[in-house]
Amino acid sequence: AQSVSQHNHHVILSEAASLELGCNYSYGGTVNLFWYVQYPGQHLQLLLKYFSGDPLVKGIKGFEAEFIKSKFSFNLRKPSVQWSDTAEYFCAVSPSGGYNKLIFGAGTRLAVHP
Amino acid sequence: DARVTQTPRHKVTEMGQEVTMRCQPILGHNTVFWYRQTMMQGLELLAYFRNRAPLDDSGMPKDRFSAEMPDATLATLKIQPSEPRDSAVYFCASGISGGTYEQYFGPGTRLTVT
Repeated sequence: AQSVSQHNHHVILSEAASLELGCNYSYGGTVNLFWYVQYPGQHLQLLLKYFSGDPLVKGIKGFEAEFIKSKFSFNLRKPSVQWSDTAEYFCAVSPSGGYNKLIFGAGTRLAVHP
Repeated sequence: DARVTQTPRHKVTEMGQEVTMRCQPILGHNTVFWYRQTMMQGLELLAYFRNRAPLDDSGMPKDRFSAEMPDATLATLKIQPSEPRDSAVYFCASGISGGTYEQYFGPGTRLTVT
């Protein structure tokens, strides 16, 4: 079965620290990859997405992610986090041709301390 | 700024009562998804529609849950009878099939069944 693994369930950082959140998926075919963010009490918002082309994808708010096909990974990074980045981050996979169905990881809660 | 809307935003009900949640997808979007978010299970896909036709509802307990799209501007999710274990946040999302596969999420309905 298709699945998405996010290795870190809780991450605590100080402002200005660098961030990397891991995401691995299990699916042998072509996939579309996403990172969504959920700020406290809010709905999910798209951070970035990958469909094809350059495996290094830049998103909003200074986030980027790198697709490494050989590792089935799509890790999220940000060089310097801010307190306002405190949120839950979800990695998601959509098999191409799968009617847009998204399979989400369990999420990573990020807390950034001033 | 087009958005997915959901009503009600909060619902508290007693066990055994019927609950109906409504979603208005973004105009022009032809795919609609229902997700449930709990602390224990994370984000689970309950059902999704394309051009108002149900494509997959395997994530729903069929005996008590039902999802419909009476028209292109309204999707409903019903629980009858409701149970305490149904307490969760229910998100609706919409998108365009064959497009960028991005899903736009609504603000969610927070359901509490006592």
